[in-house]
Amino acid sequence: EVQLVESGGGLVQPGGSLRLSCAASGVTFSDYWMDWVRQAPGKGPVWVSHINEDGNTTTYADSVKGRFAISRDNAKNTLYLQMNSLRAEDTAVYYCAMALTAWGQGTLVSVSS
Amino acid sequence: QSELTQPPSASGTPGQRVTISCSGSSSNIGTNTVNWYQQLPGTAPNLLMYDNNQRPSGVPDRFSGSKSGTSASLAISGLQSEDEADYYCATWDASLKGWVFGGGTKLTVL
Repeated sequence: EVQLVESGGGLVQPGGSLRLSCAASGVTFSDYWMDWVRQAPGKGPVWVSHINEDGNTTTYADSVKGRFAISRDNAKNTLYLQMNSLRAEDTAVYYCAMALTAWGQGTLVSVSS
Repeated sequence: QSELTQPPSASGTPGQRVTISCSGSSSNIGTNTVNWYQQLPGTAPNLLMYDNNQRPSGVPDRFSGSKSGTSASLAISGLQSEDEADYYCATWDASLKGWVFGGGTKLTVL
């Protein structure tokens, strides 16, 4: 059974940085494209970023382009999201998702002074 | 504002059949298959339907999906109290080169 476990969330001041991680197990990680999806309190999910199986192709939502960077380490079965220049509107639960079928439990990112 | 449009709420009594719609455009639903997710309070979205009408293992056959043109729908028959949740549609958008989600439909079992 596939398991995805996110970590790295927390409280950060506006303009700060965080790096989220997503550890995958129970599946051949390198066979799947991966996404980060976020959900603000009381709102629906919003796609953030996508990376293909070998990490050579990435795409981003306009709202995070130039500030966030998605990457993966297939040897470590881990997905990353480097978040820079964080804003209050980035506050949300961040989920990693495997082919948008299996999702992790999420990690909360709060941006506030 | 979401790229996919869903009714904000739906309701039914136990045993009834309810349908949730999801309207998009030629760059998303018109071109790609649709997933549906069920989200219970405090939990992550859970895949309920993929490729328009395919159920993952473990999802009861009370749930069914369909797609026509730029719209999709999720039907739940024999409504049960445990179906009370938020439901989201999602698909890939070729113009945005990213996934788009509906705004969600809160299903209440009366």
